[in-house]
Amino acid sequence: SAVISQKPSRDICQRGTSLTIQCQVDSQVTMMFWYRQQPGQSLTLIATANQGSEATYESGFVIDKFPISRPNLTFSTLTVSNMSPEDSSIYLCSVALQGGQGLPEQFFGPGTRLTVL
Amino acid sequence: GNSVTQMEGPVTLSEEAFLTINCTYTATGYPSLFWYVQYPGEGLQLLLKATKADDKGSNKGFEATYRKETTSFHLEKGSVQVSDSAVYFCALSANQAGTALIFGKGTTLSVSS
Repeated sequence: SAVISQKPSRDICQRGTSLTIQCQVDSQVTMMFWYRQQPGQSLTLIATANQGSEATYESGFVIDKFPISRPNLTFSTLTVSNMSPEDSSIYLCSVALQGGQGLPEQFFGPGTRLTVL
Repeated sequence: GNSVTQMEGPVTLSEEAFLTINCTYTATGYPSLFWYVQYPGEGLQLLLKATKADDKGSNKGFEATYRKETTSFHLEKGSVQVSDSAVYFCALSANQAGTALIFGKGTTLSVSS
């Protein structure tokens, strides 16, 4: 398994500003994912961030809005840029590890609850 | 493409009642199936999983059986407790390196004493 921490745990921001969310893992992992959970909704994948390569974004998400860094195998950041109230969500970091039978398992951080006014 | 469909909530039960939360999926190949739980104010936790047809995942009194013939992975518990009140997410993984989880919309369970 993996222990994942995120900072900040929550924040309230003004529209037009940016917030960088940090994700720290207690072991080296190749695959990391960033998800968004809008109020009352399910989790939606924003991007996949593998160390040593550019992040891969899902449809509807772009690098200018959600730039991601992956400087090493235990750390990643997601920035929410030029925020609007529609960006109010919980942002979750996730890592994939090799589980039983050689199949990948995902573990999630506690999430960052963002409110944009 | 791959997708997960969960029954709509909220589900409201009395303590010790039987719980079923339906989940069906659409996928190519042989995905792994998961149930995640999110307790109020907490992060997402893996509740149970099954990696192949007819596997039964179980944890904390919850069970779910991977039914390939009906493409289902329904979550059940024989006797719910107030502490089971949470949001439950069904999810699948395509079992390929680099693929993320695909989640259902989540079902809110509220158990009263």
